[in-house]
Amino acid sequence: DAKTTQPPSMDCAEGRAANLPCNHSTISGNEYVYWYRQIHSQGPQYIIHGLKNNETNEMASLIITEDRKSSTLILPHATLRDTAVYYCIVRASHGSSNTGKLIFGQGTTLQVKP
Amino acid sequence: KAGVTQTPRYLIKTRGQQVTLSCSPISGHRSVSWYQQTPGQGLQFLFEYFSETQRNKGNFPGRFSGRQFSNSRSEMNVSTLELGDSALYLCASSTGTSGGAETQYFGPGTRLLVL
Repeated sequence: DAKTTQPPSMDCAEGRAANLPCNHSTISGNEYVYWYRQIHSQGPQYIIHGLKNNETNEMASLIITEDRKSSTLILPHATLRDTAVYYCIVRASHGSSNTGKLIFGQGTTLQVKP
Repeated sequence: KAGVTQTPRYLIKTRGQQVTLSCSPISGHRSVSWYQQTPGQGLQFLFEYFSETQRNKGNFPGRFSGRQFSNSRSEMNVSTLELGDSALYLCASSTGTSGGAETQYFGPGTRLLVL
């Protein structure tokens, strides 16, 4: 089972920031938070990941709470092309029985509206 | 760098047949993971290969198998196809050098329809 909880759907106005929440209350100290998105019928696209510090790249920002039990993915200026299913995934930082394996939940369907 | 490529992109088979799907990882990546995506079950892990060895396996029947070649390209095979095998099959590659916990990059997938 997925170790994360996400809202099934969200709407966002084009040009506004999209803030996608994720709960991972059972996260362990050596587990990273990863975000992927999947645009209809395409392969999942890697967005960003982090351990405990906030992270930013050209696509998004990741804010992780101090207790690491939840995080928020921020798309600063959402466009129509950001409409997709967004997956929050928790995985170990080094070898374990889950090597090479991502456990996907149902994700959040983000609809960006004009 | 070229991304992960998968061939073929679309495939139609009939029940009882077998199928082989191919995945070429990003240059320099030695780990390839395979996933099945269906509307009912979502994205599920099939198996992972590193240096021609299966390193991890998901909960799928033995009809699903795979292999990896010395150039890191990987194939997966499904024998005795069933209607429920209709799905999008995705492969993902990573460097594989951190015990399988590195960032995975996905290909576009192969859509299999079993009639």
